[in-house]
Amino acid sequence: ILNVEQSPQSLHVQEGDSTNFTCSFPSSNFYALHWYRWETAKSPEALFVMTLNGDEKKKGRISATLNTKEGYSYLYIKGSQPEDSATYLCAFIIQGAQKLVFGQGTRLTINP
Amino acid sequence: DTEVTQTPKHLVMGMTNKKSLKCEQHMGHRAMYWYKQKAKKPPELMFVYSYEKLSINESVPSRFSPECPNSSLLNLHLHALQPEDSALYLCASSQDGGETQYFGPGTRLLVL
Repeated sequence: ILNVEQSPQSLHVQEGDSTNFTCSFPSSNFYALHWYRWETAKSPEALFVMTLNGDEKKKGRISATLNTKEGYSYLYIKGSQPEDSATYLCAFIIQGAQKLVFGQGTRLTINP
Repeated sequence: DTEVTQTPKHLVMGMTNKKSLKCEQHMGHRAMYWYKQKAKKPPELMFVYSYEKLSINESVPSRFSPECPNSSLLNLHLHALQPEDSALYLCASSQDGGETQYFGPGTRLLVL
């Protein structure tokens, strides 16, 4: 059974502060790791697809790193804004599979 | 057009009803997915269609019956559901398996 863990489960951050959270996944048979942002009443939105150990990806104030050897990825948000409030999901794919296995998500709330 | 649409947005049905959920994408994607998401849990994969053929069935009960009439459409036929099947049903598509998945907003289903 593949287990993808995200921590923390929820996070309250003051507007303007930076924050980060973690996704842990099995390190064997790694193919790709996806990050999604899911705002309430909207569709999950793809942020990053990461495939190589040491990958760093950036989209505006959001960036992510990947360590496939130890099985973790960090998502960073710099200078949090209220519109960053959402649930951030990571999802893992093993080699040879089309299946995304999601973590439980980190629910981020930005306090103005 | 990077949108995946789902209808209806909300559905209430009795345990003896037959209903269908619909999903549509016009991005030329050849893989389409159904996920089920219960409150405070991550999305769980139900079915994957690849090139209009069912490629993954995650041991889903037969009261859920997927159908892919063409490369743009994905249906989920529902019959004799149980109250515990109440959930958000998400559709997604991708260029091919393993790539970024684009999600619809979901259908929130309530079974009485």
